[in-house]
Amino acid sequence: DVKVTQSSRYLVKRTGEKVFLECVQDMDHENMFWYRQDPGLGLRLIYFSYDVKMKEKGDIPEGYSVSREKKERFSLILESASTNQTSMYLCASSLPGRHSPLHFGNGTRLTVT
Amino acid sequence: AQSVTQLGSHVSVSEGALVLLRCNYSSSVPPYLFWYVQYPNQGLQLLLKYTSAATLVKGINGFEAEFKKSETSFHLTKPSAHMSDAAEYFCALTSGTYKYIFGTGTRLKVLA
Repeated sequence: DVKVTQSSRYLVKRTGEKVFLECVQDMDHENMFWYRQDPGLGLRLIYFSYDVKMKEKGDIPEGYSVSREKKERFSLILESASTNQTSMYLCASSLPGRHSPLHFGNGTRLTVT
Repeated sequence: AQSVTQLGSHVSVSEGALVLLRCNYSSSVPPYLFWYVQYPNQGLQLLLKYTSAATLVKGINGFEAEFKKSETSFHLTKPSAHMSDAAEYFCALTSGTYKYIFGTGTRLKVLA
């Protein structure tokens, strides 16, 4: 079974802090994703990576950046956290096939105060 | 543009009753469709996927979904609800790129 592990389940940070969310997958998947989940809005793609050091902006990249230095690890960075970034963050990975399903981590619930 | 619409943000059924969660999609190219389930404080798990091989797709935990091109629908059903089915369900679509479009979710409540 694919395992996608997010380093923190809950995080509380202060406005203006730099925040790192880490994600590791153990199945050698090429694709990795960061989503944000908010009630009534579903999942919105922040960033996508299809290979080491490669990234594509998703639908809501503003205020975020990402890093993928190794195939198994994909980090989401909030350069200067703001209260409107309080949310559930979900990492996912997949094979590059046309109908490969996403495999999700358990999520990180971030609160910015 | 592609889109996914889930009708009903909350659905309640009695234990043992039929579960029907609705998903309609819009896509200018043949879609690949998925249903995911999310239990409290967890990530999403794949229930089933449609990849054009068969219009009736069976998934885990007794769920199935039928792809109806004429109705642009991919509704999720289960003949008999169990208390453990209480969760949030998401329909998703991709056209084969990295872009997955998710619906806004339907929260299923199962009444004893």
